[in-house]
Amino acid sequence: DAGVIQSPRHEVTEMGQEVTLRCKPISGHDYLFWYRQTMMRGLELLIYFNNNVPIDDSGMPEDRFSAKMPNASFSTLKIQPSEPRDSAVYFCASSLGLAPSNEQFFGPGTRLTVL
Amino acid sequence: GNSVTQMEGPVTLSEEAFLTINCTYTATGYPSLFWYVQYPGEGLQLLLKATKADDKGSNKGFEATYRKETTSFHLEKGSVQVSDSAVYFCALNLQTGANNLFFGTGTRLTVIP
Repeated sequence: DAGVIQSPRHEVTEMGQEVTLRCKPISGHDYLFWYRQTMMRGLELLIYFNNNVPIDDSGMPEDRFSAKMPNASFSTLKIQPSEPRDSAVYFCASSLGLAPSNEQFFGPGTRLTVL
Repeated sequence: GNSVTQMEGPVTLSEEAFLTINCTYTATGYPSLFWYVQYPGEGLQLLLKATKADDKGSNKGFEATYRKETTSFHLEKGSVQVSDSAVYFCALNLQTGANNLFFGTGTRLTVIP
């Protein structure tokens, strides 16, 4: 398996623009997570899905952020409009099953810079 | 609440030195505990885990023991290598049916030849 795939790997945009980050989880995994990593706040869980359904979006910073999972093999995280404080590395992860001991597999991340 | 506290970095060691990265946790219930590692430019990957008290997780020469009495899960390695340079994250996951990791802030380790 190719692992969790994220695109783009790097994104540079200007304040006010819409940004869409993409993720393809490992085939067969039924959980998908979006995280944000910054120097100031570390690694934060934004939202996670189970079987394409959002379960907990309490980590989404504000209404400018939205996430969708239209099918089992694709998810998007959208920021509209983007702001400089959204600059961070965004990770997607997936896992199989409900057991808390199950490993989450992380993608390589998307480094977002908002100017 | 649920949280993980890691020793602050950065940590700089010479090759073959002994490594300890402290991790303590607060959790309601009985969590599973993890160490994830992030190499430069990459995503996190699981290093080791333990699912119940007194379990020892081990991988690539790293070890950590789940200590319920001290609510700790310290990471150790007897002899570090330059290739171990990375950021290490301690995390917990509650056994409540929700697959939801709580991460520590991460500890950056640099090993110099």
